[in-house]
Amino acid sequence: EVQLVQSGGGLVQPGESLRLSCAASGFIFKTFEMNWVRQAPGKGLEWVSYISSRGDDIFYADSVKGRFTISRDNAKNSLYLQMNSLRAEDTAVYYCARGTSMAHWGQGNLVTVSS
Amino acid sequence: DIQTTQSPSSLSASVGDRVTITCQTSQNINIYLNWYQQKPGKAPKLLINAASSLQSGVPSRFSGSGSGTDFTLTITSLQPEDFATYYCQQSYTTPLTFGGGTKVEIK
Repeated sequence: EVQLVQSGGGLVQPGESLRLSCAASGFIFKTFEMNWVRQAPGKGLEWVSYISSRGDDIFYADSVKGRFTISRDNAKNSLYLQMNSLRAEDTAVYYCARGTSMAHWGQGNLVTVSS
Repeated sequence: DIQTTQSPSSLSASVGDRVTITCQTSQNINIYLNWYQQKPGKAPKLLINAASSLQSGVPSRFSGSGSGTDFTLTITSLQPEDFATYYCQQSYTTPLTFGGGTKVEIK
């Protein structure tokens, strides 16, 4: 069974940093592209970042470019999102998702940026 | 960037109704269009990928059609468990973009 189990998240102040993790199991992680998607409270889905299977192609939404860093460790079957210089508008539930047609999603982690 | 526009933003329907949701993209994306269902507090669920390919386990009352810039999600006979929010998403190129969502509510 494909599983994506997320960890991290929580309450931080503006300007602080946070790291999200996504542990994959039930499939050959190193062969799949991965994405981070977020959803602000009461809002729609927003794509955040993409990483290719080997980690050599990376893309970001303009809203997070220069502040967020996506990475992966294929030996540990894990995906990460390092979020720096967090802003109030980054408050959202963050999901990891497999592939560009996102057939599998993590359970989501709430990130709240507030003073 | 490819703009992805979904309509309507909400609709009210009764059990048994036929429901149609449309999605339009600002550029030709061939069939790189996916549909998701999301219920409150849950992660989205992929229903259809490549415009019309039904995911395993998704009821056959769901169907997708279209190519190029215009796409449709149809639910032929709405069931109680179908009341949710639906999103389209283009996977043609980054930035990947989602439609604004369609909330299907009980009439």
